Amino acid sequence: SQKIEQNSEALNIQEGKTATLTCNYTNYSPAYLQWYRQDPGRGPVFLLLIRENEKEKRKERLKVTFDTTLKQSLFHITASQPADSATYLCALDDASGTYKYIFGTGTRLKVLA
Amino acid sequence: KAGVTQTPRYLIKTRGQQVTLSCSPISGHRSVSWYQQTPGQGLQFLFEYFSETQRNKGNFPGRFSGRQFSNSRSEMNVSTLELGDSALYLCASSLGAGTSYNEQFFGPGTRLTVL
Repeated sequence: SQKIEQNSEALNIQEGKTATLTCNYTNYSPAYLQWYRQDPGRGPVFLLLIRENEKEKRKERLKVTFDTTLKQSLFHITASQPADSATYLCALDDASGTYKYIFGTGTRLKVLA
Repeated sequence: KAGVTQTPRYLIKTRGQQVTLSCSPISGHRSVSWYQQTPGQGLQFLFEYFSETQRNKGNFPGRFSGRQFSNSRSEMNVSTLELGDSALYLCASSLGAGTSYNEQFFGPGTRLTVL
């Protein structure tokens, strides 16, 4: 069956360190993969999109990698700050399916001061 | 530019009732998608509308329906509410449809509680 998995446990890291979040998927062949940030009581906010033919994408302190062989995306936040604490969601487009976006359940990140 | 707005923000209903939620997309955006978010299932796609036509539909029962008006505003309706329909309902707008590289802009959501 089709599945998207993110770290179900919360991730706690120390301020200034690099946070690495994973998104693994099975039985999908996405053309695009997106990462979103969601704060409590708010809707998700788009962060980055990476295409299947791109290995890596950067935006300021954020970096996303996309390995279609491993069926995995990694999301990195360098020099993390307490303000980065939130839930991070990955979402992928199933180029062969009827759904527009399939979301993972998210990873809760807490950056400790 | 104003963001996506959703009304109402909070709603309490009882089983068997029906509910209508409203979403106003960002000006100029013609695609509106609806999602249901629950702690157990996460964010699940309900349907997408573009130019008043439903283009995609998720795996939800027929009790969930929607429509889009000529000004791109959208409504979703849930009939015969069940306890399991309690969730945060999110609306997202984007410029186009059928091309998944479009960035989605989410509204704050409507928190529906079914008693």
